[in-house]
Order: sequence, then structure tokens, then C-alpha cells
Amino acid sequence: EVQLVESGGGLVQPGRSLRLSCTASGITFGDYAVTWVRQAPGKGLEWISFIGRRSYGGTTEYAASVKGRFTISRDDSRSIAYLQMDSLKSEDTAVYYCGGDHRGYSGYADYWGQGTRVTVSS
Amino acid sequence: DIQMTQSPSSVSASVGDRVTITCRASQDISNWLAWYQQKPGKAPRLLLYAASSLQSGVPSRFSGSVSGTDFTLTISSLQPEDFATYYCQQAYRFPHSFGQGTKLEIK
Repeated sequence: EVQLVESGGGLVQPGRSLRLSCTASGITFGDYAVTWVRQAPGKGLEWISFIGRRSYGGTTEYAASVKGRFTISRDDSRSIAYLQMDSLKSEDTAVYYCGGDHRGYSGYADYWGQGTRVTVSS
Repeated sequence: DIQMTQSPSSVSASVGDRVTITCRASQDISNWLAWYQQKPGKAPRLLLYAASSLQSGVPSRFSGSVSGTDFTLTISSLQPEDFATYYCQQAYRFPHSFGQGTKLEIK
């Protein structure tokens, strides 16, 4: 069974950092691209970051709203993707989901985690 | 950036109805479009990719089409489990933007 599990969310003060993890099982993680999206309370989905499979160059991309503050990375040996979030703002408050794309490059996420909640507040 | 505009923002329908949701891209995205279903408190679920390819395990009552920059999701005969919010997403160019969502409610 394929599973993606996000972790690392919580309550954090503005300006601080948080690192989210997306741990995969049941797949050859290195073959997958990973997308992070978020959903603010009562709002729609917002695409925020992507990392391609390493054999395709491991491309990383970011939404303008997080570029320069968030960093996506992956550790294929541990089947984990990370989202390092620095200089957090109140508008980063959301549920964060990671999605896995078996094509390794397309951005179509076949599998999703259950989400992890991030609240940025003093 | 590519803007994705969905319509309607909400629709009420009954079990057995045929429903169509539209997504318009602000520029040519070829067929690089996905449709997702999301239920409250749950993760998105991929329904269709490449505009019209049905994801494995998704019922055949879901279908997609494209005409230029206009994309359509059709549910041929609504089932109780289909009441949810639907999002389109372009994967042609980064950032892979979503539409604002269409909430499908029971009439």
C-alpha cells in the first residue's frame, strides 16, 4: 500500500522556522517527483513547491509567495521529502499536503498525504 | 504566471444528474491539465490528468475534454460520494497553478 505521511507541523511564531517532512512507503521514492500544496482555512488549494526525480535533474520550483523563504529537498535513501520553511508569516498558516507523481516530472500527484497543519501566530 | 479560472464556483445538483465544470487557462497549456476532487478535511484526489486521461481506480462516469484553452470535467451521473469540491490544475509551466475550486452540493 502506498502511503505518504506529512509531519512537522505545529504552532510557530512569525519569523521563526519549521521543517515539514513527507515520508513515503510502498513506492520506489526515488522515481517520484514531489509536490507541496497548502490550503489556508476556508480557502482553495495553493501550489507552493516541486522537486523532480533526481535522475531527471531533481528540478526544484517555488511559488512566488514562498520563494526565498522555503526550500524543498529530498533524501531518497530515507524516502523523505522536506520543506524547510523560514521567516514564516501569518499568511503561511495552512494545512500542508505533499503529493507524489510516479512519472517523476509531470506535476500530476497520484498519491497524497493526509496533511499537516501549520499555524503561524504570536 | 498562468491563471486558471473555474466556473461555476458552486453548483447544486441531484443524484443521477449530469454535471459539467469548466476551467479556462489564461494562455495555451496544451493538454497539461489535471482535475482533483477534495472532500472536507481530506487530501486532494487525482481524477484526470493530461486533460482527459482517467486516473487508475477512478469511475468512468468522470471524463475530461479540452477545446483550446477551455477544459471541461463532466460527471455523467452523479453519485452521493461525488459531492465535493473540484479543482483544476495546470502542469504546463511553473508555478503549477490551481483554479479556485467548484463546490458541488446536493440539491
